[in-house]
Amino acid sequence: DSGVTQTPKHLITATGQRVTLRCSPRSGDLSVYWYQQSLDQGLQFLIQYYNGEERAKGNILERFSAQQFPDLHSELNLSSLELGDSALYFCASSNKSPAGGPPSTDTQYFGPGTRLTVL
Amino acid sequence: GENVEQHPSTLSVQEGDSAVIKCTYSDSASNYFPWYKQELGKGPQLIIDIRSNVGEKKDQRIAVTLNKTAKHFSLHITETQPEDSAVYFCAAAQYYGGSQGNLIFGKGTKLSVKP
Repeated sequence: DSGVTQTPKHLITATGQRVTLRCSPRSGDLSVYWYQQSLDQGLQFLIQYYNGEERAKGNILERFSAQQFPDLHSELNLSSLELGDSALYFCASSNKSPAGGPPSTDTQYFGPGTRLTVL
Repeated sequence: GENVEQHPSTLSVQEGDSAVIKCTYSDSASNYFPWYKQELGKGPQLIIDIRSNVGEKKDQRIAVTLNKTAKHFSLHITETQPEDSAVYFCAAAQYYGGSQGNLIFGKGTKLSVKP
């Protein structure tokens, strides 16, 4: 058990719909990362938040957005869903410091994932 | 940007044999290389990592080697056991200014250890 929790475990929805995935980081971790895992693309970095602020963006579609709340949990919002959005979505956390800050234990610990199926 | 290639995509070994998985990276600025193990239905779990200031790191039956000149790194598992069966991912990132850049993952290697 990594200490990172994700809900729900499974989500089945229809094309055009909107869903929200939730992640709670390990206690003390300020950074949250979102990844998408599909069979053809592997593990793809989507977006990172540090202490409530967006830090980096990867291959995240404009239909997708995320936020990190004051209690440090994060939500990934996926809208106008398409069949191709079906994938595993993972959240990871670390206590990474912002650039220029003191060195941190930057290991990313992954949650169990949310399996999204778009029908 | 960084690109990580991982080989082989599948690997089958007999219990007790060694397994080697190799990765190459493209960005010479990358200096942090973790390996993750993913079991069915679970998230990736870090098993070992190495930074570019060392060439080898060992943790019991697992070792990682890094060749910065050739830009490749490898995972070595000795005395394999059935519970080592999983998908293994390598990744690369830049670590600078006290902060780690984002992980770029290889496509994964499915390791099967036959009893």
